[in-house]
Amino acid sequence: DQQVKQNSPSLSVQEGRISILNCDYTNSMFDYFLWYKKYPAEGPTFLISISSIKDKNEDGRFTVFLNKSAKHLSLHIVPSQPGDSAVYFCAARRSPGNQFYFGTGTSLTVIP
Amino acid sequence: DTGVSQDPRHKITKRGQNVTFRCDPISEHNRLYWYRQTLGQGPEFLTYFQNEAQLEKSRLLSDRFSAERPKGSFSTLEIQRTEQGDSAMYLCASSFGLGAEHGYTFGSGTRLTVV
Repeated sequence: DQQVKQNSPSLSVQEGRISILNCDYTNSMFDYFLWYKKYPAEGPTFLISISSIKDKNEDGRFTVFLNKSAKHLSLHIVPSQPGDSAVYFCAARRSPGNQFYFGTGTSLTVIP
Repeated sequence: DTGVSQDPRHKITKRGQNVTFRCDPISEHNRLYWYRQTLGQGPEFLTYFQNEAQLEKSRLLSDRFSAERPKGSFSTLEIQRTEQGDSAMYLCASSFGLGAEHGYTFGSGTRLTVV
C-alpha cells in the first residue's frame, strides 16, 4: 500500500510566483520527512527535511510545512525559477528503522 | 570526491540470466542503501548497510536478490534468474549518519531492462 502519496502528478507555475507541492501520508509512526528533487537521467538530490516534532523548516527559497493532525506536508518554493523545473519526491521515515517511503513524485514546470 | 558512482549505467539482459551491479559510495559515508524505481513510481527501499553489516531488508528483496558490502566500502547487488518484472532503475545512495536530517546522496542509477 502507498503510505506516502503525492496526488498531483504535475504542476505549472510562472517564474517568480510561489510553487506549492503537496504530500499526504498515512502512517503516524513516520518521524522524519524529506523532499528530493530529480532531474532526468540523474539520481534524486536532497532538498530539505523536517522532523515530526516541528511544523516548519526553512532553507533559502524552500520551506516545508508539516501538519501532523492532517498527516499532510507541503513544500513551498518562493520565488520559483526555471531551474526548479524537475520532479519532486516526498519521502518519510518510519521509526524505528531507517527505511524511507517515497511518494510517486510531482513534476514541476516553471514557465519563464 | 565524485559522489556516489554506479556501474553500469545501463544493462540489458535476457530473462533467466544473472546480473550484478556495483555501487561506490562517498568515501566517508558509513551507510549505504539500495532502492528500486519503476516507471511512474517513487524509489522503493530494498536494503541498507551500516559499514559491512546489512541491517534492513525489504520484503521486495526476494531470494533471487542478494546484496553485499565487503569491508564496508563498495557494494554489489546481484539478481539471479532475472524476470521481466525486475526491469527498473536501481539506485544506490549513501549517507554519513542515518540520513534523516540531511538526506542521502544518490547515484545516477543503473537501468536494467530484462528482455
